[in-house]
Amino acid sequence: NAGVMQNPRHLVRRRGQEARLRCSPMKGHSHVYWYRQLPEEGLKFMVYLQKENIIDESGMPKERFSAEFPKEGPSILRIQQVVRGDSAAYFCASSPARRGNTGELFFGEGSRLTVL
Amino acid sequence: DAKTTQPNSMESNEEEPVHLPCNHSTISGTDYIHWYRQLPSQGPEYVIHGLTSNVNNRMASLAIAEDRKSSTLILHRATLRDAAVYYCILRDPSTNQAGTALIFGKGTTLSVSS
Repeated sequence: NAGVMQNPRHLVRRRGQEARLRCSPMKGHSHVYWYRQLPEEGLKFMVYLQKENIIDESGMPKERFSAEFPKEGPSILRIQQVVRGDSAAYFCASSPARRGNTGELFFGEGSRLTVL
Repeated sequence: DAKTTQPNSMESNEEEPVHLPCNHSTISGTDYIHWYRQLPSQGPEYVIHGLTSNVNNRMASLAIAEDRKSSTLILHRATLRDAAVYYCILRDPSTNQAGTALIFGKGTTLSVSS
């Protein structure tokens, strides 16, 4: 059973460009979470999605950032008009939707965005 | 989610046991205690979780105080590969039956020397 797959693992963008980060959850998982980790800082929750729905986006910046998890295909975290402060590691996690799930999240290896 | 308090850093020697403490004095009756760790340049990894009773798995043991206001993650024999940031997180699954996001604090950075 493959784990959470993120790609690209490394992405370099110039200021003003767009970054798209993809996350394929583990097989059978319908819940996806995105976290951001700035250099030398802790993990910050960004958004929680189920298939075709955003459940909690309280950690998402109000502008330039968006996320989706379509019925088919991976979850996408999109950053428009990137700035140097967006340089970070972006981690995706997934979980199953079992009733009574005590909440183990399975994380991917991360996508490291560098903005020049 | 209730707050946890962990030491910023700890040091250990290889092959010795390591006890990583976590205080959670405001824990509610339905909060589970989760431990994750993050090795350098990797995503977080689940270690163990428990509610009231002590728990053991292949990676570690979790000792939970009787009043649940604190817990200790025990690595029985530290290896160099155990050097990581260890996060103690409380989570109440009853708030969302499908799962809610884990909120990470600063964790404890464990250094292991040979």
